[in-house]
Amino acid sequence: SQQGEEDPQALSIQEGENATMNCSYKTSINNLQWYRQNSGRGLVHLILIRSNEREKHSGRLRVTLDTSKKSSSLLITASRAADTASYFCATAGLYSGAGSYQLTFGKGTKLSVIP
Amino acid sequence: GAVVSQHPSRVICKSGTSVKIECRSLDFQATTMFWYRQFPKQSLMLMATSNEGSKATYEQGVEKDKFLINHASLTLSTLTVTSAHPEDSSFYICSARGDRGYSSGYTFGSGTRLTVV
Repeated sequence: SQQGEEDPQALSIQEGENATMNCSYKTSINNLQWYRQNSGRGLVHLILIRSNEREKHSGRLRVTLDTSKKSSSLLITASRAADTASYFCATAGLYSGAGSYQLTFGKGTKLSVIP
Repeated sequence: GAVVSQHPSRVICKSGTSVKIECRSLDFQATTMFWYRQFPKQSLMLMATSNEGSKATYEQGVEKDKFLINHASLTLSTLTVTSAHPEDSSFYICSARGDRGYSSGYTFGSGTRLTVV
């Protein structure tokens, strides 16, 4: 069952602006991950933040995690047209064995960056 | 980096036939693989968790006799949609955990677009 809820569901911005997407979840997690999906394609892992971390950076990406509020945000700075895609948060909670946890995906935010 | 190859990328089949989708980890051993289904403009729904050498664990509401999963080796898991019907048309994606620990997240295949006519 889904537990992540992203907002907004859709976001349209001008190139160069920052894009912020939020994700809320309901149960305890081991870590939270953000993924990107281009239309009709597979998912690409962007960044992972563990439950004991509060903020993480990777290039133009900044992720925060607030476990007390069960929420996370993904900030993309200086957006580019190539950033146009759907972005999903996924929480890793239930252990599936062999070092792997089940991922539960949110509904995603569709980001459109206008050149 | 970790690569997961999924094949075929697109398949069209007749109602009543079976379709097999393969998911291979190319440069790492994936003891656990996951199969998802994605409806248009919606999120990914976990169908089952596949552990090498054992029976897959299916999520509630997923028919295990219809969606047969085999994980016979550390690098290959297959999903067979048996007696396919138009309502099985969907985008199916597999994933496995990368071999660089959690910081690498999970590696996803490129997905299979199944259309049942």
